[in-house]
Amino acid sequence: AQSVTQPDIHITVSEGASLELRCNYSYGATPYLFWYVQSPGQGLQLLLKYFSGDTLVQGIKGFEAEFKRSQSSFNLRKPSVHWSDAAEYFCAVGQAGTALIFGKGTTLSVSS
Amino acid sequence: EAGVTQFPSHSVIEKGQTVTLRCDPISGHDNLYWYRRVMGKEIKFLLHFVKESKQDESGMPNNRFLAERTGGTYSTLKVQPAELEDSGVYFCASSIQPNTEAFFGQGTRLTVV
Repeated sequence: AQSVTQPDIHITVSEGASLELRCNYSYGATPYLFWYVQSPGQGLQLLLKYFSGDTLVQGIKGFEAEFKRSQSSFNLRKPSVHWSDAAEYFCAVGQAGTALIFGKGTTLSVSS
Repeated sequence: EAGVTQFPSHSVIEKGQTVTLRCDPISGHDNLYWYRRVMGKEIKFLLHFVKESKQDESGMPNNRFLAERTGGTYSTLKVQPAELEDSGVYFCASSIQPNTEAFFGQGTRLTVV
């Protein structure tokens, strides 16, 4: 069955510390991969996406993600977290013409 | 350029009532999607329009849900009659090409009491 797993429901990181959010997927073929963020009171905003090519993808707000085919993973990273990064993060997979499959989300809290 | 707009942002209705959610996609986006997040669970696909046609409605939970996109512009999602388990956040998204880069609205939080 196709699925996305975000193993961490809630993570707390100190401001200025590095961040890694995990995402593993189960899919028949190599899918398109996405990370979305939802800040309080806001909609889902696309952080970055992977379709093909370079497996290290740069996104907005200083985020990056690395696609590892052998591990079926697409982990999100940021070298230095800011208080404004506190939000809920969703990993999603799909292919052209198919619906996106989302993980359950990881809530990020940033401590000062 | 305006983003995807959804309204209302919140709706509280009683069980058995009818509610209609509206989504205005980004102008020129032929693809429009509805998703739903029930509390504590994943965001799940409901259906996909290409212009005014339903491309995929495999995620619609039952026949109490009716989605339309007349004229291929805005879309409505009607729940009639609403049940308690319909509570959640309903997201709309649009894209130029199918699932290449979907832009999401801020969602409608529906509470059925």
